[in-house]
Amino acid sequence: GDSVTQMEGPVTLSEEAFLTINCTYTATGYPSLFWYVQYPGEGLQLLLKATKADDKGSNKGFEATYRKETTSFHLEKGSVQVSDSAVYFCALHSNTGNQFYFGTGTSLTVIP
Amino acid sequence: GAGVSQTPSNKVTEKGKYVELRCDPISGHTALYWYRQSLGQGPEFLIYFQGTGAADDSGLPNDRFFAVRPEGSVSTLKIQRTERGDSAVYLCASSPSRTTDTQYFGPGTRLTVL
Repeated sequence: GDSVTQMEGPVTLSEEAFLTINCTYTATGYPSLFWYVQYPGEGLQLLLKATKADDKGSNKGFEATYRKETTSFHLEKGSVQVSDSAVYFCALHSNTGNQFYFGTGTSLTVIP
Repeated sequence: GAGVSQTPSNKVTEKGKYVELRCDPISGHTALYWYRQSLGQGPEFLIYFQGTGAADDSGLPNDRFFAVRPEGSVSTLKIQRTERGDSAVYLCASSPSRTTDTQYFGPGTRLTVL
């Protein structure tokens, strides 16, 4: 069945460091791919999405490119800030069903 | 505008009791999802409503779990004969329509079964 495998954390980075959080997926059909973020004490929020191969989603300096050949959707940011400290979830929605599938989440802590 | 709201924010109950968890989606959103999130895990799909009907309930773990959305807006997740393993955060999300696949999540209800 469909699934998402996400890089395990926790990840700790210094401010202004480069961030990569890996995400790979298994899906039938042509899924849409998402990154959600959960800041401390808050609910899940959509960070970015891509709906077809080679699309790049971007928001708040974060980017992720939908790579069909490697079934990946890695999250990147060139220079992280303390305010980026949160838990990040990779997710997919298959166009053959109704379900969303989430990864286990990666906790990021950015230290000044 | 108002986002998705869930009540209660916390619920503590005893094993064997019945609980109801409520979700108020964003006004006008026809799609509504329930998820369960255990500690250290991502949200796990439970059920999806399109309008009043449960379009996909394949994620409900067993027949102790049931959800309704009688008027196509507010939804209630019902859990009978609760077990300690039901302890988790229950999340609700809504979406403008089935074809608009961005979901908006509520803050969740933390259920603790003693």
